[in-house]
Amino acid sequence: AQSVTQLDSHVSVSEGTPVLLRCNYSSSYSPSLFWYVQHPNKGLQLLLKYTSAATLVKGINGFEAEFKKSETSFHLTKPSAHMSDAAEYFCVVTRDDKIIFGKGTRLHILP
Amino acid sequence: NAGVTQTPKFRVLKTGQSMTLLCAQDMNHEYMYWYRQDPGMGLRLIHYSVGEGTTAKGEVPDGYNVSRLKKQNFLLGLESAAPSQTSVYFCASSLHRDRVGYTFGSGTRLTVV
Repeated sequence: AQSVTQLDSHVSVSEGTPVLLRCNYSSSYSPSLFWYVQHPNKGLQLLLKYTSAATLVKGINGFEAEFKKSETSFHLTKPSAHMSDAAEYFCVVTRDDKIIFGKGTRLHILP
Repeated sequence: NAGVTQTPKFRVLKTGQSMTLLCAQDMNHEYMYWYRQDPGMGLRLIHYSVGEGTTAKGEVPDGYNVSRLKKQNFLLGLESAAPSQTSVYFCASSLHRDRVGYTFGSGTRLTVV
């Protein structure tokens, strides 16, 4: 069985400081991993994806994530937060026909 | 290119009423999914389809039915709405199984009173 755990339900950072959103997964097989972002009252947008190529994945809007098999982690980072990054972020693991979502991390940006 | 379109965007139902949510995609995707999103629960899979004429149950299928008579459309039905089905519903589609991303619709906010 596969699952995904987002370790923080809320994260607050000041504008211009680094962002770290944590995600751990469990999967019996090599998973595909994704990060999605959802801005208020909007649908979900794909930020980046890992599909067994390079372990460091770059996404849109300056975000990146590193796949660490030994730690079963896929944490999302950004060097410098912007006010427009305030949103909810979902870590997703997929295998075969199933997509499993984490419960989400709400990112707050402090001015 | 509209991507994934959900209709309606908002709806209020009385307990016991029925309704159908429509999801349409114009990307020729094989895979389509219906999710519900509730506060603190993330997205939970209701039903999904791996191709025209096929459907399968997800994590929370009870109280819902689906149909995929045409490849581009995936319908979600509530036969007898309950307040517990108040939620935001998202449809998604994908070209392949699990190696590519998914395109999401903008959601349907359903309230059952």
